[in-house]
Amino acid sequence: NAGVTQTPKFQVLKTGQSMTLQCAQDMNHEYMSWYRQDPGMGLRLIHYSVGAGITDQGEVPNGYNVSRSTTEDFPLRLLSAAPSQTSVYFCASSYSLGTPYNSPLHFGNGTRLTVT
Amino acid sequence: GENVEQHPSTLSVQEGDSAVIKCTYSDSASNYFPWYKQELGKRPQLIIDIRSNVGEKKDQRIAVTLNKTAKHFSLHITETQPEDSAVYFCAASHGGGADGLTFGKGTHLIIQP
Repeated sequence: NAGVTQTPKFQVLKTGQSMTLQCAQDMNHEYMSWYRQDPGMGLRLIHYSVGAGITDQGEVPNGYNVSRSTTEDFPLRLLSAAPSQTSVYFCASSYSLGTPYNSPLHFGNGTRLTVT
Repeated sequence: GENVEQHPSTLSVQEGDSAVIKCTYSDSASNYFPWYKQELGKRPQLIIDIRSNVGEKKDQRIAVTLNKTAKHFSLHITETQPEDSAVYFCAASHGGGADGLTFGKGTHLIIQP
């Protein structure tokens, strides 16, 4: 199994540009999520999905869109990039994240995004 | 929503000594508490987790304790080694769990030779 695969690893955007961060998992996990990591801020949840066709907002959803058309894929879209979105983005998946079946969250290798 | 506080932000210990990292959470319905280790430039990786029906869990040099009444949980690393140097994150899952993990801000553990 490849686990959680994120592409690209690095990206530089200009303010106002749009792009999609890709995330795919081959573990048949129902739960997928996107986090951003900023220095001193820990990991903050952007959006999550508990299954194909279902998405919901996390703590910091503004400026980002997601969709979940298949179990395997969970892309994150930046509609109009802003310097405040400069961050490291992690996709993560889990078999289940709810009572009583909490199971570990598996992270991808991250995408380092810089918006100038 | 859930709020997780983590202390200290930086911890420096001598190699061979023990390290303790503490977290508190706000939502009494939270029932799952994992700990992640992140080495520089790498992804977070689960090192140990505990569920609310358990008070303590050990895995070799690592242990986690949970006090549900006080709403705090701690990570204990004994006989620290250079490879333990990393950033450690605690997290808590909300009562229903479906809205994800809330992470603490992290502890940078430095092992002094």
